[in-house]
Amino acid sequence: KQEVTQIPAALSVPEGENLVLNCSFTDSAIYNLQWFRQDPGKGLTSLLLIQSSQREQTSGRLNASLDKSSGRSTLYIAASQPGDSATYLCAAKTSYDKVIFGPGTSLSVIP
Amino acid sequence: EAGVVQSPRYKIIEKKQPVAFWCNPISGHNTLYWYRQNLGQGPELLIRYENEEAVDDSQLPKDRFSAERLKGVDSTLKIQPAELGDSAVYLCASSFPWTGGHEQYFGPGTRLTVT
Repeated sequence: KQEVTQIPAALSVPEGENLVLNCSFTDSAIYNLQWFRQDPGKGLTSLLLIQSSQREQTSGRLNASLDKSSGRSTLYIAASQPGDSATYLCAAKTSYDKVIFGPGTSLSVIP
Repeated sequence: EAGVVQSPRYKIIEKKQPVAFWCNPISGHNTLYWYRQNLGQGPELLIRYENEEAVDDSQLPKDRFSAERLKGVDSTLKIQPAELGDSAVYLCASSFPWTGGHEQYFGPGTRLTVT
């Protein structure tokens, strides 16, 4: 059974700092891994989708990497801004077509 | 292009009452998902539709939950009767048929409070 964990559960950084969020999954047979952002009281906004054949995806200040062999994905945020404050969730789409979410990392960027 | 639409946004009901949530996916998306998200946790899948067929409802508590997607477009999720433990955010998502992507797009959710 696929399990997805995210470390740390919460993170507070000063504005301008580069940071890395971690996502781990137990079953390396995934189809893709997707990173989402969730603002308080809102739905999820897709940030990046990495296919199983890819190693990384980039969008603006965000870069997500995928290492299936080690069961890990990272989301790198460059030059963090207060507007980046939100909860970040990763989700793994498994070989049996289920999507398993991690519990999220709550990020606070302090001005 | 309109995103995934959900209604209502908030619902407060007493336990043992019925409640229904509605979702209209992005036009052309044939896969529709219902998730439940408890506070401080990631979403958990309740049911997934491919067109009008429920292809994965293994996590749906079928004694009190039901769902339908009659014409393969919009969908309704119902709880009857509601219990205190059903308080959560119910999220709907949709995606394209799998062509190597299947990126999910989420609606704003319905926050249910059962008193």
